[in-house]
Amino acid sequence: GENVEQHPSTLSVQEGDSAVIKCTYSDSASNYFPWYKQELGKRPQLIIDIRSNVGEKKDQRIAVTLNKTAKHFSLHITETQPEDSAVYFCAASDTMNSGYSTLTFGKGTMLLVSP
Amino acid sequence: DSGVTQTPKHLITATGQRVTLRCSPRSGDLSVYWYQQSLDQGLQFLIQYYNGEERAKGNILERFSAQQFPDLHSELNLSSLELGDSALYFCASSVSLTGAGATNEKLFFGSGTQLSVL
Repeated sequence: GENVEQHPSTLSVQEGDSAVIKCTYSDSASNYFPWYKQELGKRPQLIIDIRSNVGEKKDQRIAVTLNKTAKHFSLHITETQPEDSAVYFCAASDTMNSGYSTLTFGKGTMLLVSP
Repeated sequence: DSGVTQTPKHLITATGQRVTLRCSPRSGDLSVYWYQQSLDQGLQFLIQYYNGEERAKGNILERFSAQQFPDLHSELNLSSLELGDSALYFCASSVSLTGAGATNEKLFFGSGTQLSVL
């Protein structure tokens, strides 16, 4: 099955700096890579996703890049703000033979943005 | 609010006991997923149901079982509880996203049930 490794486990930045979180996956058949943000005491929520047919996707201050050859993908947050402080999870979709898929999550990165 | 409802929010019980966690998916969603979240293991996939049938199974212990009912709500049963079962249990439902020749699922999580086994 799929294995997703996520680094770093914790990341501290100053407000306004950029933050980068990196993930690797093992199954070359994975084709969908979402990122979820979980604020303290809250539920995980999807913030951005990317499919294997594109290399980069942006949404305002958030961008995700994908390198299929190396089997890694990254989340980039620019101009970080204190409200970006949360745990971020990457995930990879392992498409099943039936055509449906399940998500395998990384262990998460706790991002702390200091004012 | 994601539209996924989980009850109870908190559950405190003793070792050896049995508990039932309940989840109602978003209106119209046929899939229900159960995840276990502990501090050192992140989000661990337990099991998935689709329209009443088991679709995929992850790292779910034999002491745990689940089902999805005709009205699409789901229950996760945890028995012979151990201290290590203390965790946050999330339920999620999903909407299908089709693209690049594949169908994948966008998950909507409930608020979770915090289980404490004492």
